[in-house]
Amino acid sequence: GQQLNQSPQSMFIQEGEDVSMNCTSSSIFNTWLWYKQDPGEGPVLLIALYKAGELTSNGRLTAQFGITRKDSFLNISASIPSDVGIYFCAGQGSVNAGKSTFGDGTTLTVKP
Amino acid sequence: KAGVTQTPRYLIKTRGQQVTLSCSPISGHRSVSWYQQTPGQGLQFLFEYFSETQRNKGNFPGRFSGRQFSNSRSEMNVSTLELGDSALYLCASLGQGEAFFGQGTRLTVV
Repeated sequence: GQQLNQSPQSMFIQEGEDVSMNCTSSSIFNTWLWYKQDPGEGPVLLIALYKAGELTSNGRLTAQFGITRKDSFLNISASIPSDVGIYFCAGQGSVNAGKSTFGDGTTLTVKP
Repeated sequence: KAGVTQTPRYLIKTRGQQVTLSCSPISGHRSVSWYQQTPGQGLQFLFEYFSETQRNKGNFPGRFSGRQFSNSRSEMNVSTLELGDSALYLCASLGQGEAFFGQGTRLTVV
């Protein structure tokens, strides 16, 4: 089945630093999604990407849909303490598909 | 506009029992997906319902089942609970290709 490799598994950074994380897949996806999950809560959608090569920003967050459709990255600029959490990438095989394949998550810790 | 509502938030059951979890999607959304989240396995897709029909299914045993009602509300049921079923069960409401998650139901099997 489809698998996503998300890296790094965890990151410890200083407030103000930039962060980069990525996901690679053995299969092609038509949609890439990035989520953030806080403890005890469900994942919250940060950015959705629908087209190969697409680069999308949401405030300090920027994500790109890889040209090969097998990878995506998420950048966070000028990190702040509230960026702490687990970030997940997810791929969908077709637009509007209800089935997403998730990466294992990147745990981000920001030191003030 | 109300978000995705899952009930209950927390549940404790004993082995062998069965459990039913509920999810009300965002108004107007007709697709509901269910996921199981555990520390060891991450987020695993269970199944998706669209217009009262199961549209996709993950690789879970038959003890896991679901259904969707005409108002798009969905329930999932787990029968003959096992200790390994302890997890956060998340429901996602799908609109325009984007999945919006509820807060989840934390199930503990003892």
